[in-house]
Formats: sequence, C-alpha cells, structure tokens
Amino acid sequence: DGGITQSPKYLFRKEGQNVTLSCEQNLNHDAMYWYRQDPGQGLRLIYYSQIVNDFQKGDIAEGYSVSREKKESFPLTVTSAQKNPTAFYLCASSMSGRGLAGGRDEQFFGPGTRLTVL
Amino acid sequence: KNQVEQSPQSLIILEGKNCTLQCNYTVSPFSNLRWYKQDTGRGPVSLTIMTFSENTKSNGRYTATLDADTKQSSLHITASQLSDSASYICVVSVGNGGATNKLIFGTGTLLAVQP
Repeated sequence: DGGITQSPKYLFRKEGQNVTLSCEQNLNHDAMYWYRQDPGQGLRLIYYSQIVNDFQKGDIAEGYSVSREKKESFPLTVTSAQKNPTAFYLCASSMSGRGLAGGRDEQFFGPGTRLTVL
Repeated sequence: KNQVEQSPQSLIILEGKNCTLQCNYTVSPFSNLRWYKQDTGRGPVSLTIMTFSENTKSNGRYTATLDADTKQSSLHITASQLSDSASYICVVSVGNGGATNKLIFGTGTLLAVQP
C-alpha cells in the first residue's frame, strides 16, 4: 500500500458519536487526501491538504473534519453531523498538490477503513 | 457535467483469456487519465497514467489505450490470472494543471477470473 497506513481496518460507531480515522504516510509526500467509497459510486473527495497546517474541503466535506499538524499524518473525524457515515474510507497521498492538480503525480492509497454505524 | 462511465459493470472470464474494459469520459478540460486496480477491501493501486499525447501505455499484462478525440479509453488484460480478479477504476483528471484540477472517478468494472 505504498507506505500509507490506515487504522483501524474496521470501525463501529454508535449513532451520535464522533470517531477519528487515522492516516499516516512515510513517503515524505506533501499532499494528502480523504475519500469515501460507497457501493456503485465512484470515490468522492472529502478533504485534502497540500501542505502542513493547511487543508481544503472536497466535494462532500459536510459532517467531517480534518487536521494536518504533521506532514506524515492526516486524521479524519467523522462527526455526529454526518447523516450517513457507513462507508469505506480511503486515505491517499501524492508528492505534491499537483496530484490533485492533474500533473503526473500519482496518488498512493492506503488500505482503507470500513466504518459501520450501529 | 464532468462524468466518467465504465463498462461493463461486471465481467466474468476464464483464466488465461483476454478481456477489455471500457471507459468513456465527458470532461473539460482533460488533463490525464488513470487506471487503478482495487482488490476487494483494499485501496486502489495505480496501473497507468496517460496524458493527452499518449495513445497507449503498458504495464506488464495490462495495456491501456486512449483516444482523446472520441474521449474513450480501454484497459486490455492479456492472459488473465486469478489474481486479476478485482475492480478496475478509470479516473480522469480535469483542469489545466493548476491547483484547481480535480479527479473524477468512474464506478469501476468488477472483474472475476474463474479457473
């Protein structure tokens, strides 16, 4: 999985609880991303960060929050405001923000976290 | 609306056979096109990245083609193996290469290779 780790692999949450998904990379990449994958749909971008201490909303940021205090870490918090949080969550990184910008920068994905709301 | 459509939705082939997966896109402006392989319950892994000027690119038994005029791409798998069973995702990068570019993901083709 290209030096990106996500934990936990499976996560169960009760309604009304916030949960935090971990994403760590040792590739020295500047940019990191969070995606959500649902059955029958393409990956959708939640948040991305092109540099430490900076992040931007993606297409479906409502009900989620992130932080980027360290280059290698980009945790995602799924808050109780997210109405349908059950999904497969994927973290990715690229050498620079040009991975999002469409350059040849490849996005490397982590193994994913499957979140289920009970 | 920027869209990436893949066909077929699913495919079953016998081990050793070849197959071709299709990707049609309607995006503007086009920057590049990527194919990813995603094993069940795992993250996607990049197979190829092609820009506007590249017609074909190979990665082992995987060969991707791109026709920028018709906005179509295909992924050809030769001599399939059981380990090829996965979802194959077509991804198109939209934009002029600046900070506002974004990736549009297809829904994938689920390939099952049977012995």
